[in-house]
Amino acid sequence: DTGVSQDPRHKITKRGQNVTFRCDPISEHNRLYWYRQTLGQGPEFLTYFQNEAQLEKSRLLSDRFSAERPKGSFSTLEIQRTEQGDSAMYLCASSLGDSEQFFGPGTRLTVL
Amino acid sequence: AQSVTQPDIHITVSEGASLELRCNYSYGATPYLFWYVQSPGQGLQLLLKYFSGDTLVQGIKGFEAEFKRSQSSFNLRKPSVHWSDAAEYFCAVDTTPPGAGSYQLTFGKGTKLSVIP
Repeated sequence: DTGVSQDPRHKITKRGQNVTFRCDPISEHNRLYWYRQTLGQGPEFLTYFQNEAQLEKSRLLSDRFSAERPKGSFSTLEIQRTEQGDSAMYLCASSLGDSEQFFGPGTRLTVL
Repeated sequence: AQSVTQPDIHITVSEGASLELRCNYSYGATPYLFWYVQSPGQGLQLLLKYFSGDTLVQGIKGFEAEFKRSQSSFNLRKPSVHWSDAAEYFCAVDTTPPGAGSYQLTFGKGTKLSVIP
């Protein structure tokens, strides 16, 4: 068990570009979560998957954001037409059912 | 609205001193409460959690927390701080709608702990 991994760890992009992040959960975990953490704030829930189904999306997840988990294993989070306000740490977590959420190290996005 | 308040943005303690980090929550139902720690470059790690039962819960790394319903508080404590405890600490409450299982954590803004050798 290598824990939750995220790639890339850092991403710098220009405003208007699209970016995609990947999350690999702990292998037997059926749930996967995305959170966003801005400077000086705690993580904020964005969305979660149970297996391949996206079951809940926060109102924070604008139309420019899309998340997928096509085979119920890894997940991707895409942000289209990035804005400076999208600069944040994007955290992924996974769990086995309702049990403890294990967090990855995050992807830090900087939009110039 | 459901919320978590951590009144202290930054706390500095001397190594070996005791520590208490404050957390207050606003949630209508019986809360499920958590404390996480985040070190630079690391993901959040769960220190302890409260679901029900004994209001004093023990966690990893020598931490404990006490749930006080009357004060809507879940303060984190450690009797003797080590330099390696320097990190940011987040209190969280499960704000999943009733009957929907457990998936949504609402976090406080965090308390950064500095430890003086």
